[in-house]
Amino acid sequence: GEDVEQSLFLSVREGDSSVINCTYTDSSSTYLYWYKQEPGAGLQLLTYIFSNMDMKQDQRLTVLLNKKDKHLSLRIADTQTGDSAIYFCADDRGSTLGRLYFGRGTQLTVWP
Amino acid sequence: GAVVSQHPSWVICKSGTSVKIECRSLDFQATTMFWYRQFPKQSLMLMATSNEGSKATYEQGVEKDKFLINHASLTLSTLTVTSAHPEDSSFYICSARPSGKNIQYFGAGTRLSVL
Repeated sequence: GEDVEQSLFLSVREGDSSVINCTYTDSSSTYLYWYKQEPGAGLQLLTYIFSNMDMKQDQRLTVLLNKKDKHLSLRIADTQTGDSAIYFCADDRGSTLGRLYFGRGTQLTVWP
Repeated sequence: GAVVSQHPSWVICKSGTSVKIECRSLDFQATTMFWYRQFPKQSLMLMATSNEGSKATYEQGVEKDKFLINHASLTLSTLTVTSAHPEDSSFYICSARPSGKNIQYFGAGTRLSVL
């Protein structure tokens, strides 16, 4: 199976909170990342968290990390239609070369 | 800051021709750049890691003679798809890692269509 797993789809109503979940398998991960991809575009770095942190907040984005369970989540508060995109979770597995390992992405659809 | 420019954004070519894609870090130096391929509704597949001044490291199953990578400076890496065939049609994305940082910044991608 995938080493970084995400659910494939999430639908929310505009104004609600979205929570996108991710699980990973490698305990040596140093950093974990969330990227956003809009149709036909590259990936935009949203946020990242160091593995010894439990939480990181950046405006509407909150990242929670449960290192024991190897579970990462991204919460988007007050979700807007412009947040509709594919969200990728990635981890580095402790790589010193900077290589990242991506999940398959979660398609977030925000309904007005 | 941290802008990666990828060019061209879209290219159509005839089967058998070669296509070069450029990846530039505009406001930072990148010792390492990465080349990915993405199939529709799929995740990113790492093709190769490009290191400035040395040979690229290719992932298993990726033909190095087919996908030529050159990383001649700290701000530019190129991917050349040689003798392209329709099965090479895909979305190619590059990323650049600022020296000393554990972050990758991505280009906007190149849509390659081989007729």
